[in-house]
Amino acid sequence: ETGVTQSPTHLIKTRGQQVTLRCSSQSGHNTVSWYQQALGQGPQFIFQYYREEENGRGNFPPRFSGLQFPNYSSELNVNALELDDSALYLCASSKRDFNTDTQYFGPGTRLTVL
Amino acid sequence: AQSVTQLDSQVPVFEEAPVELRCNYSSSVSVYLFWYVQYPNQGLQLLLKYLSGSTLVKGINGFEAEFNKSQTSFHLRKPSVHISDTAEYFCAVRSIQGAQKLVFGQGTRLTINP
Repeated sequence: ETGVTQSPTHLIKTRGQQVTLRCSSQSGHNTVSWYQQALGQGPQFIFQYYREEENGRGNFPPRFSGLQFPNYSSELNVNALELDDSALYLCASSKRDFNTDTQYFGPGTRLTVL
Repeated sequence: AQSVTQLDSQVPVFEEAPVELRCNYSSSVSVYLFWYVQYPNQGLQLLLKYLSGSTLVKGINGFEAEFNKSQTSFHLRKPSVHISDTAEYFCAVRSIQGAQKLVFGQGTRLTINP
């Protein structure tokens, strides 16, 4: 069984730029959630995708957007990067059809905004 | 809405000593509860979860946790820790209904001293 993978591992951008982060779900999972983890903090929920539709959003501005593809992989896009966007971005997959199922996390993408 | 408070930001213990990491939560609806571990420069790994049934839950690596509904707590315990348990530990909750949005605490850094 293949776990959750994310790319790239690290990324450095400058203020105002745009970035795309990618996530491949664990085999058999149909739901992807994205979290932002600032240094020294717990992860914060950004949004969740289920069957290619956004299915819940946290307190993040519209410049954070996402996509889920038919194979359940996902992208997180962030426009007009700000210094405070520097964080570890975590992707988690799960089976939405089983509400009690667990979210399994990928290793994360470390984004640094200069 | 839910919130999670991890009562200790850092817990230093000696190897082979017992440890307890404390977690309290607040929610107006029924929730599921989770403990995740994060090793340096890695993503989150599930230690254990409480969905229903017995309030004492056993997880991986010898960890266990007890759900106390009246005190809204879900403390994590291990009777004898090892150097390899050094990591950041996160308590999380999510509503049993709706999107699978996890709400995390700030984390507890467990440091094992020889």
